[in-house]
Amino acid sequence: DTEVTQTPKHLVMGMTNKKSLKCEQHMGHRAMYWYKQKAKKPPELMFVYSYEKLSINESVPSRFSPECPNSSLLNLHLHALQPEDSALYLCASSQHTTESSGANVLTFGAGSRLTVL
Amino acid sequence: GENVEQHPSTLSVQEGDSAVIKCTYSDSASNYFPWYKQELGKRPQLIIDIRSNVGEKKDQRIAVTLNKTAKHFSLHITETQPEDSAVYFCAASKGSASKIIFGSGTRLSIRP
Repeated sequence: DTEVTQTPKHLVMGMTNKKSLKCEQHMGHRAMYWYKQKAKKPPELMFVYSYEKLSINESVPSRFSPECPNSSLLNLHLHALQPEDSALYLCASSQHTTESSGANVLTFGAGSRLTVL
Repeated sequence: GENVEQHPSTLSVQEGDSAVIKCTYSDSASNYFPWYKQELGKRPQLIIDIRSNVGEKKDQRIAVTLNKTAKHFSLHITETQPEDSAVYFCAASKGSASKIIFGSGTRLSIRP
């Protein structure tokens, strides 16, 4: 299996809802990432998990809460979002985990397109 | 922190001609430079990458060059085809499980 699978593909939620985005990979990758991508913009890093521990948080608002239950799964819990949070949320994984060596080859999922009303 | 600038933002070339996209980075500690292609409505996919200990890398019609002194790297696509039409992102990283910072993207259109 060489894919990163994201669910749901599309999500519409109100500002008071609580929802979750899910990401799964079975490539044995030990680093997993959440990126946010707005239309016609590059992916913007939100979180990095290394060996199931949060290693990078790019000052993301607390209404986004990541979780890594095991080495294959990554969740993004959403609560009290704003309309400006509407975007494509991309999950990615990479094989290497040592900080200073190795190429950071990301495999992206297809994304979850989120619309906040 | 790292900043990656990418030019041009849009590029239109005749089918069969070459396309060149250029990026500069700010952090001299960056050591890995991937290029991603994103077709409309699809996920970004790695097309080629280069590490800082290499000056040039080629894969069929695609090549990447790196000038560490000047802190810039470029993507070259030769004999362009309609399926090359997409948005291309350059990126820079300081190693695995670290930040990958993307350039702003280049929308490449291939004219028939």
